[in-house]
Amino acid sequence: LAKTTQPISMDSYEGQEVNITCSHNNIATNDYITWYQQFPSQGPRFIIQGYKTKVTNEVASLFIPADRKSSTLSLPRVSLSDTAVYYCLVGPYNTDKLIFGTGTRLQVFP
Amino acid sequence: GAVVSQHPSWVICKSGTSVKIECRSLDFQATTMFWYRQFPKQSLMLMATSNEGSKATYEQGVEKDKFLINHASLTLSTLTVTSAHPEDSSFYICSARNSGSSLTGTQYFGPGTRLLVL
Repeated sequence: LAKTTQPISMDSYEGQEVNITCSHNNIATNDYITWYQQFPSQGPRFIIQGYKTKVTNEVASLFIPADRKSSTLSLPRVSLSDTAVYYCLVGPYNTDKLIFGTGTRLQVFP
Repeated sequence: GAVVSQHPSWVICKSGTSVKIECRSLDFQATTMFWYRQFPKQSLMLMATSNEGSKATYEQGVEKDKFLINHASLTLSTLTVTSAHPEDSSFYICSARNSGSSLTGTQYFGPGTRLLVL
């Protein structure tokens, strides 16, 4: 599975847009990019998944450049409740084995 | 939909005892479930893959005789920590993939079980 690199931590204020970038230089042709969110003492929660270009859902947007060597999770107008750890995972189609990296600890301040 | 539950949510036990943790997929069937362990301030680490009706597949470095996994049905997997010791204290999380999901590789995680061994 492709290794991912993310910033260890990020700070933001309520109402701002937060962009978390993940590098995955060794991504394979059949790899998908998936982001999970984890609150303290809870299991991770699926946020968004994409293969190329841009994907948007009610929670976030995922931007993937043409070379797919990186991806950016965009959280619009964050609130205090968005304080969590965000994990970027890369893996083949229908992969069962998820390898979590260090994740990015996002702290949102009032 | 796609809810995974765990029981208990937390447990405290004495060193040397065994603890069983249940993982259930409430509204879908999961032929495969996964068990992770997470230490404070660290990422999730996959321990084993639980396959319904067959033996679990353990990751390198995980003792299969210490962490017994049973996948008795399409909605239930159990993890038993045998002869628990303080170093086994951790946050144990299970997950399951909804084979009917249109999202590639999407796994749904349980809320986790915090184990404290005294």
